[in-house]
Amino acid sequence: DAKTTQPPSMDCAEGRAANLPCNHSTISGNEYVYWYRQIHSQGPQYIIHGLKNNETNEMASLIITEDRKSSTLILPHATLRDTAVYYCIVRGDMRFGAGTRLTVKP
Amino acid sequence: GAVVSQHPSWVICKSGTSVKIECRSLDFQATTMFWYRQFPKQSLMLMATSNEGSKATYEQGVEKDKFLINHASLTLSTLTVTSAHPEDSSFYICSARDIGGSKNIQYFGAGTRLSVL
Repeated sequence: DAKTTQPPSMDCAEGRAANLPCNHSTISGNEYVYWYRQIHSQGPQYIIHGLKNNETNEMASLIITEDRKSSTLILPHATLRDTAVYYCIVRGDMRFGAGTRLTVKP
Repeated sequence: GAVVSQHPSWVICKSGTSVKIECRSLDFQATTMFWYRQFPKQSLMLMATSNEGSKATYEQGVEKDKFLINHASLTLSTLTVTSAHPEDSSFYICSARDIGGSKNIQYFGAGTRLSVL
């Protein structure tokens, strides 16, 4: 089963793009990449997912490398409310890694 | 997105009592639901996978007789913490997989904060 590696923390200035990387070098061909975030003391919130192609929705964009060994979640215009722990998951059984704590600063 | 309701949102109980937590998918059906536990400043830890109409699958180290899971319908799963002790105090979170949707997206409840005195 694939595992993920994410930086433990990142800072981003309000209004700027936040780019959160995730390594998943052991991902198998049929495993999707999912991104969730957890704001303090709440349940995780689904953000976006993808298989091979880049994806975009109202919340974020997901860029997946051609070899699928890594991906980047992009929040195009970060706001203070985007401060949260962001999780990249590639396992169908939804086991969470440590995630990246994103802090958006004024 | 789809909505998962978790109840109660917080509960305080005395040591030795049992506590039941409900997880409902409000606008979709879920053959599979997941239960997690989260301690302060830590990530979510998967406790068990609940399948409608069958026994739950527990992760290694999780006592199935202590954490009873029932998934009696396509919209409801319950977690009962039996004979709770202070070390069971934690944030419990459920999630449900939308079988009608695509790509196995899971939606999470808001969590239940359990405090055992």
